[in-house]
Amino acid sequence: DQQVKQNSPSLSVQEGRISILNCDYTNSMFDYFLWYKKYPAEGPTFLISISSIKDKNEDGRFTVFLNKSAKHLSLHIVPSQPGDSAVYFCAASGSNTGNQFYFGTGTSLTVIP
Amino acid sequence: ETGVTQSPTHLIKTRGQQVTLRCSSQSGHNTVSWYQQALGQGPQFIFQYYREEENGRGNFPPRFSGLQFPNYSSELNVNALELDDSALYLCASSRSNRALQSSHTFGSGTRLTVV
Repeated sequence: DQQVKQNSPSLSVQEGRISILNCDYTNSMFDYFLWYKKYPAEGPTFLISISSIKDKNEDGRFTVFLNKSAKHLSLHIVPSQPGDSAVYFCAASGSNTGNQFYFGTGTSLTVIP
Repeated sequence: ETGVTQSPTHLIKTRGQQVTLRCSSQSGHNTVSWYQQALGQGPQFIFQYYREEENGRGNFPPRFSGLQFPNYSSELNVNALELDDSALYLCASSRSNRALQSSHTFGSGTRLTVV
């Protein structure tokens, strides 16, 4: 079963505007969440993380928001740049999930110049 | 600081054959995890190696096995290949064997095609 879901396979945004990528999870024991970015022919690259004791974490243009009651997190990119065009994966882990990350299916972001 | 390197980059095998994929971890990282990414899907955890022992396993059959060497590099072996094993295999290294404490550094992957 898919414990981490990204329901939008793709997203297109104009350069300079905000990109919002969404992720939902089902396992209430998840308490650590990450976003990865993947370019074609490359492995995923770590972008930003958040633990369940926070509801927001910011790093430059990237901000992750966590809503534990809704089991939802989102990644905001402001302002969006053409170089941000990639596939974005959210991932989650928890104290009872062993040492693995559970990944969503990804959202392909296209930033239009 | 060298990143995670995987070899080979592409591989074509016949159903029923065996395959070995290799991974060198990033300098300073002692833990290696392997993931399978099927087309249109996110990476799925196969297993993790820490201190040369399997340290967690996902929902994959025993014909998926691995090794970790004293220099922290790792191999993924798949026996009796099936068509559904066709996927991108990603190796990831980390400083900690605990997912709560670290992020993964991924290699570029090995694209395996089973025909």
